[in-house]
Amino acid sequence: DTAVSQTPKYLVTQMGNDKSIKCEQNLGHDTMYWYKQDSKKFLKIMFSYNNKELIINETVPNRFSPKSPDKAHLNLHINSLELGDSAVYFCASSPLQGDRVREQYFGPGTRLTVT
Amino acid sequence: GNSVTQMEGPVTLSEEAFLTINCTYTATGYPSLFWYVQYPGEGLQLLLKATKADDKGSNKGFEATYRKETTSFHLEKGSVQVSDSAVYFCALSQGAQKLVFGQGTRLTINP
Repeated sequence: DTAVSQTPKYLVTQMGNDKSIKCEQNLGHDTMYWYKQDSKKFLKIMFSYNNKELIINETVPNRFSPKSPDKAHLNLHINSLELGDSAVYFCASSPLQGDRVREQYFGPGTRLTVT
Repeated sequence: GNSVTQMEGPVTLSEEAFLTINCTYTATGYPSLFWYVQYPGEGLQLLLKATKADDKGSNKGFEATYRKETTSFHLEKGSVQVSDSAVYFCALSQGAQKLVFGQGTRLTINP
């Protein structure tokens, strides 16, 4: 069974379109994340949710809107796509131990290409 | 704020060579430290971790020791294999429910 899954794996779309990426984890974790990895492999956190509550929003444009229908799912909706949004987007989840992050488990990534 | 700096890649070695990838961090207090590995076309996988000073994390022949005095967590392996070719990320966590990653180091092992 896949622990953290994302769909789709590849997404090619035109500028100005709206698209969504879905993420599900079956690990029973309380916290889920979205990361963006650019072409140089630099990985930066975008959002963090804990039990469906937004905890971290790292100055991401408001065209990006995460939604957590339940603690096992965290979807990412992107409006008015721009060329600069092309990247690989990773979902991750982790348990918490007190207020400290334990290791995170990553999904396989969604490669978004905006043309 | 907290930050992680890794040695710049790419790193290219021959099979059975000794590997060191340097990682230093800036943080207040006592972060937990991690090494993640990303194989081509895949997501990140946890390789090893250490949660307090002088802890040594180890897995698959890789090791890293949490050195508070030098704020370092260097990754080492005594004899690398072609299958170790990947991108390696050093990361730290300290509350705030997030990881801060280094820029990644691409490692290529030639047969």
